[in-house]
Amino acid sequence: QSVLTQPPSVSAAPGQKVTISCSGSSSNIGNNYVSWYQQLPGTAPKLLIYENNKRPSGIPDRFSGSKSGTSATLGITGLQTGDEADYYCGTWDNSLTWVFGTGTKVTVL
Amino acid sequence: QVQLVESGGGVVQSGGSLRLSCAASGFTFSTYAMHWVRQAPGKGLEWVAFIRYDGNNQYYADSVKGRFTISRDNSKNTLYLQMNSLRAEDTAVYYCAKDLATNSIEYWGQGTLVTVSS
Repeated sequence: QSVLTQPPSVSAAPGQKVTISCSGSSSNIGNNYVSWYQQLPGTAPKLLIYENNKRPSGIPDRFSGSKSGTSATLGITGLQTGDEADYYCGTWDNSLTWVFGTGTKVTVL
Repeated sequence: QVQLVESGGGVVQSGGSLRLSCAASGFTFSTYAMHWVRQAPGKGLEWVAFIRYDGNNQYYADSVKGRFTISRDNSKNTLYLQMNSLRAEDTAVYYCAKDLATNSIEYWGQGTLVTVSS
């Protein structure tokens, strides 16, 4: 059972913005970096954001991350049909286990 | 470019064993920590295990502790997951993944399916 809580789904029209929240605790998000992953249908996950707000090479700046206290947020602007996917947050927990969020399905209306 | 190729998945009876392998290339394998992550059909991601770059530290999810063992052979650029006492709830696609050394998982393999039949 995941210790990081995300909304099951978010949706918006093409070109609009969505935000996905990831809620944890002081034993995980509160004391560690958060990363975000995109999983397109039928494919392996892909790193989108690391160290709370950094983008790997090749990830467009439409994707952004932030962290405050024990929560983190992924933002996607200029929404495209190709952004339809499942998104997961992740971080280390002080119990020396890695934890993923419950996952959020993004739908482009 | 980084490549992670998992193998060893298949169908196994409940209580049985299986060993997964992950062949790594495109980076200096011996200098990076590695993870195994799984995803049950239609479900979210579940982290399974972590091993440090030199193999000296391993961490496990509570759900597999005592049954699964992560290991690596840096001379062969290969990561392993030995899975014993398998249960139906272990049925999932198992991904091998490279750590970024900044508290994130950087690259993922394409996964190998493990099905445990009861």
